[in-house]
Amino acid sequence: QLQLQESGPGLVKPSETLSLTCTVSGGSISNNNYYWGWIRQPPEKGLEWIGSIYYSRSTYYNPSLKSRVTISIDTSKNQFSLKLSSVTAADTAVYYCARHGYVDNGMDVWGQGTTVSVSS
Amino acid sequence: DIQMTQSPSSLSASAGDRVTITCRASQSIRSYLNWYQQKPGKAPKLLIYAASTLQSGVPSRFSGSGSGTDFSLTISSLQPEDFATYYCQQSYSTPRTFGQGTKVDIK
Repeated sequence: QLQLQESGPGLVKPSETLSLTCTVSGGSISNNNYYWGWIRQPPEKGLEWIGSIYYSRSTYYNPSLKSRVTISIDTSKNQFSLKLSSVTAADTAVYYCARHGYVDNGMDVWGQGTTVSVSS
Repeated sequence: DIQMTQSPSSLSASAGDRVTITCRASQSIRSYLNWYQQKPGKAPKLLIYAASTLQSGVPSRFSGSGSGTDFSLTISSLQPEDFATYYCQQSYSTPRTFGQGTKVDIK
């Protein structure tokens, strides 16, 4: 069965770049039926979609974060990645990776999430 | 951005109760509405997509309805494992947006 696993540093300093990777197992990230996305959840708050990527490297981002976000994909490693630059304490959150359909009918497979704190 | 507004923000209920959560979109999203359940410390789980289609493996006590701007999630008979926070999410346009969540706890 398909599984997603986030990895990356749990602590990032203010003004630096947050970098996370999502490894996909049990299926191919090159499946043309799906997009791969990042979602975050600040402590005790709701969910915020960050952006998504297709195996062809086509991306779409949340405009509120677009100037700081880059999502990339490595089909040879079955991984996709998130970079968020110039972080502040407001970027402290649990970061999830997830899959959704090319016809977007919801995010049906999620990683367990990884906590990233922004602090000096 | 399309704003998603859920009500209530929280509710207390007993096992066996029928529970309904509503979600309103700031503009029409046709039927591009999804519902998730999230338990503490866990990732969200997709319950319903396209407003009314039950995701595989989700119990039939969950149901969804609505189109356009007004939607609802109903749990016909609340079970102990259903105490959680529920989110709606629109997949009609970018950015994808979520409601603020409805926490269902034990009365």
